Amino acid sequence: VQLQESDPGLVKPSETLSLTCSVSGGYISPNYWSWLRQPPGRGLEWIGSINHNGRTNYNPSLQSRVTMSVDPSYNEFSLRLTSVTAADTAVYYCAKGRVWFDPWGQGTLVIVSS
Amino acid sequence: QTVLTQSPSASVTPGQGVTISCSGSSSNIGSNYVYWYQQLPGTAPRLLIHSNYQRPTGVPDRFSGSKSGTSASLAINGLRSEDEADYYCAAWDDSLSGPVFGTGTKVTVL
Repeated sequence: VQLQESDPGLVKPSETLSLTCSVSGGYISPNYWSWLRQPPGRGLEWIGSINHNGRTNYNPSLQSRVTMSVDPSYNEFSLRLTSVTAADTAVYYCAKGRVWFDPWGQGTLVIVSS
Repeated sequence: QTVLTQSPSASVTPGQGVTISCSGSSSNIGSNYVYWYQQLPGTAPRLLIHSNYQRPTGVPDRFSGSKSGTSASLAINGLRSEDEADYYCAAWDDSLSGPVFGTGTKVTVL
């Protein structure tokens, strides 16, 4: 299985960050898939997870701003993070799994700046 | 945000061994499996150990994991230059209802 994140690049403060993860070499069903992030020079943070039926589980610290969705027909899943600030600047990773993560996408750097 | 505590760094000469510790609590390590990830410079994390001590296919047996109570350890024997990386522990946290990660340990091969 290989995962590839889309590349939104620069997002303005207060706007919405949107990312898509394309899955190849395997199927979205019947697995769980997750989003994680890593601010520059810092550690890893779990954002949330979604299964093939759309059942979600979000990090409580981000729950009010996060929405995840899945599209099995396109073999992809997505992340929306609203009202972003500079604190949301990070490398965003998609990964297979919910408790442990394997494999990971290569990651995409999202910078929040005006 | 709940995090697991790791020593920040370790410097080791090639061929030697190193042990990285990870400290948690009863809601995470104390009641769930521990996982370890290796992050080489500029790359995505890679699963190194799952279910406390199990190695995925392709991970050398120089890497071994263990757990006792609310702490866990990753041992690397016979260090090579390609082992220079950041290492993160992780575990499911029952209070968070999600996974938590360690603060990370940077291993430098001198």
